[in-house]
Amino acid sequence: DTAVSQTPKYLVTQMGNDKSIKCEQNLGHDTMYWYKQDSKKFLKIMFSYNNKELIINETVPNRFSPKSPDKAHLNLHINSLELGDSAVYFCASSRAQGDTIYFGEGSWLTVV
Amino acid sequence: SQQGEEDPQALSIQEGENATMNCSYKTSINNLQWYRQNSGRGLVHLILIRSNEREKHSGRLRVTLDTSKKSSSLLITASRAADTASYFCARRPSNTGKLIFGQGTTLQVKP
Repeated sequence: DTAVSQTPKYLVTQMGNDKSIKCEQNLGHDTMYWYKQDSKKFLKIMFSYNNKELIINETVPNRFSPKSPDKAHLNLHINSLELGDSAVYFCASSRAQGDTIYFGEGSWLTVV
Repeated sequence: SQQGEEDPQALSIQEGENATMNCSYKTSINNLQWYRQNSGRGLVHLILIRSNEREKHSGRLRVTLDTSKKSSSLLITASRAADTASYFCARRPSNTGKLIFGQGTTLQVKP
């Protein structure tokens, strides 16, 4: 069974569009994250939620809006996509902040 | 920068050789973790070492931590072609629950 699953895996879209990436974890973890990995493999945290509450919000443009309907789900909505948003977005979860993180397989976003 | 550095950025070795990757950081930490990422996949946790530990082993993996030098190393012994991947260290600073990742070391093991 997949522990952290995210969809879609690949997404190609035009500039200006709005898109969402969904994430679910079946590990019973309290904390979920969104990370962004750029073309140089640098991995940077975007958001962290603990029991549906936003804990970490790094300096991410407000075009990016996370939503956590329950502690097993953390979706990422992106408005007005820009070329620079092209990256791999990883959803992840952990039992608590700073513990071992379990990553999803990534969503490859390409903005053209 | 909180990110610190990983060294080397890329490493190419022959199967059977040992691979050593290093990670340095700037602030005091609660723990340090190593992750592996195969091409096109997500990151997978390998080892967590706490600030009061100096060395940990897991199979062919050995991690050391020197808090006085603010550095850690990951040693993979008797490498295999299947070890080809990127390896990341992630530091948990003492004053936060965040994990901060470096840019990783890309390891290629030639058969």
